[in-house]
Amino acid sequence: KAGVTQTPRYLIKTRGQQVTLSCSPISGHRSVSWYQQTPGQGLQFLFEYFSETQRNKGNFPGRFSGRQFSNSRSEMNVSTLELGDSALYLCASSYLSGRTDTQYFGPGTRLTVL
Amino acid sequence: KQEVTQIPAALSVPEGENLVLNCSFTDSAIYNLQWFRQDPGKGLTSLLLIQSSQREQTSGRLNASLDKSSGRSTLYIAASQPGDSATYLCAVHFSGGYNKLIFGAGTRLAVHP
Repeated sequence: KAGVTQTPRYLIKTRGQQVTLSCSPISGHRSVSWYQQTPGQGLQFLFEYFSETQRNKGNFPGRFSGRQFSNSRSEMNVSTLELGDSALYLCASSYLSGRTDTQYFGPGTRLTVL
Repeated sequence: KQEVTQIPAALSVPEGENLVLNCSFTDSAIYNLQWFRQDPGKGLTSLLLIQSSQREQTSGRLNASLDKSSGRSTLYIAASQPGDSATYLCAVHFSGGYNKLIFGAGTRLAVHP
């Protein structure tokens, strides 16, 4: 069974640009969550989608948005990039709500903002 | 505020030692607790998931315990090997949120031959 995949693996952008990251969950998983990892703040929850609906959102500005498609694939968008958005962005998938499910993480997308 | 703390921040041990990594959390109302491993620049690998109703879980040389009432979990690694060198992260799924994991800062483990 294929794991969680994320594309692209690496991105370099300049301040003010926007970026879209993609995540394909494990086949059959319907929940996709996104996290930002930085050396200073560690791993922080961005948002979670289930059946195309955002069910939970972390404490990030509105520049961070996402969506989920009917095949459970998810995209995350960051507009008006800032230097502080440089981070490893990880997505995770689980079968249902995660209350009893293991969450499986992808390899991440390394975003560098210059 | 829901927080997760991991001690120690870093650990260096010789190969073959048994070791314990600690995780504490501020709220006993949890769905589950998950231990992950992260190699430098990589994603997270799930090691063990402990449900709130469970006391421990084992996988190979790894054993994780959970004491919900005291807000603590430990990850025990038996007979450590150089390949165990990585950062170990504890993550708690607190009650009331969909799939929102709160992570500790991690324990950076180095096992030297």
